[in-house]
Amino acid sequence: AQKVTQAQTEISVVEKEDVTLDCVYETRDTTYYLFWYKQPPSGELVFLIRRNSFDEQNEISGRYSWNFQKSTSSFNFTITASQVVDSAVYFCALSEARNYGGSQGNLIFGKGTKLSVKP
Amino acid sequence: KAGVTQTPRYLIKTRGQQVTLSCSPISGHRSVSWYQQTPGQGLQFLFEYFSETQRNKGNFPGRFSGRQFSNSRSEMNVSTLELGDSALYLCASSRDTTYEQYFGPGTRLTVT
Repeated sequence: AQKVTQAQTEISVVEKEDVTLDCVYETRDTTYYLFWYKQPPSGELVFLIRRNSFDEQNEISGRYSWNFQKSTSSFNFTITASQVVDSAVYFCALSEARNYGGSQGNLIFGKGTKLSVKP
Repeated sequence: KAGVTQTPRYLIKTRGQQVTLSCSPISGHRSVSWYQQTPGQGLQFLFEYFSETQRNKGNFPGRFSGRQFSNSRSEMNVSTLELGDSALYLCASSRDTTYEQYFGPGTRLTVT
């Protein structure tokens, strides 16, 4: 069965610290997609990244970077030099495209990690 | 480009009533998905529509239903409301079913 585990419920850091949010997933499919979303206090989920199972290249976008390792079924997210505006709940999600005819419409979310960045 | 819009943003209903929530996707997006978010269960997939057809359905009772119109706008309906239906209902749209989803601000439903 598919599952996403975010073991860190809450993390608190001081501004400018680096922080890594962990995500471990379970799937029996060889074709799947992984996502990270940010949910600020306003409630709207903000898309950050999508990665397919055939692309294990790490990605960097500004202060954000993602480390995808199929060998450990992990898709970790690092924020470098954190800022107060990074405070939010971050969700990792999985979509098994093969089971839904290629559709990514069914996202399976982890429970989220609440990140608090203090000035 | 305008984002996903959901109406109403807040709603208070009484147990036993029914409710209809609306979602307007990003212009050009044809796929709409709905999710329920509660503190206990987290984010759970309800259903996905593409070109007016339901493609996927999550594990929710038949009281939860939805539809999509020809302009890609979508509605979801919950009949015979229960206290446990109190949640944030999020709608997401994507260009088609193989692209990333963009979420709206949600409708916060409170059932008393």
